[in-house]
Amino acid sequence: QVQLVQSGAEVKKPGASVKVSCKASGYTFTSYYMHWVRQAPGQGLEWMGIINPSGGSTSYAQKFQGRVTMTRDTSTSTVYMELSSLRSEDTAVYYCARARGGIAAAGRHDAFDIWGQGTMVTVSS
Amino acid sequence: DIQMTQSPSSLSASVGDRVTITCRASQGISNYLAWYQQKPGKVPKLLIYAASTLQSGVPSRFSGSGSGTDFTLTISSLQPEDVATYYCQKYNSAFTFGPGTKVDIK
Repeated sequence: QVQLVQSGAEVKKPGASVKVSCKASGYTFTSYYMHWVRQAPGQGLEWMGIINPSGGSTSYAQKFQGRVTMTRDTSTSTVYMELSSLRSEDTAVYYCARARGGIAAAGRHDAFDIWGQGTMVTVSS
Repeated sequence: DIQMTQSPSSLSASVGDRVTITCRASQGISNYLAWYQQKPGKVPKLLIYAASTLQSGVPSRFSGSGSGTDFTLTISSLQPEDVATYYCQKYNSAFTFGPGTKVDIK
């Protein structure tokens, strides 16, 4: 079945970096855009950015420009999200989520149909 | 940037009630609007995309409508399993979520 499996919880100190992975299975990895979304405790959903797993091109939310890097490894069908210069406000659950329609059919402008299970990142001294 | 607002921020209704949640965009977004359901402690789930298209496997008591700036999510007969927070999201350019509407059973 189609699924996204993320890496485990992380605890980091302020100023450090974290790299979260998201392994896709059950579909053609390079045919669907992938997004990253985060959710701070008790808060709403916040979009971070998008990666095209085929060519590797990315687009980031302005809030995270300069601090976030999204990459992919087509050999393992895995996307990565690295966030640097961590601060306490970055404590959140981080989700990867697949764009629904496929790159060829819908382009990047589509809803998110498959979500990873989430990765809790805690930033604390 | 286009802002998304939702109303109400929370509601409490009885089982079997018709529930309506409103989402408004600060500028027109055509029908590039999705609705998600997030149950406590769970991953968000896509309910509706393109403003009114039901995602496969979603119960037919959920429906969506609207275009441009004003959208609604309707639950025709509220069930206990519908207790959740509901988020709208625009995806015409940036992928902005609304602040959410928490739905409880009275």
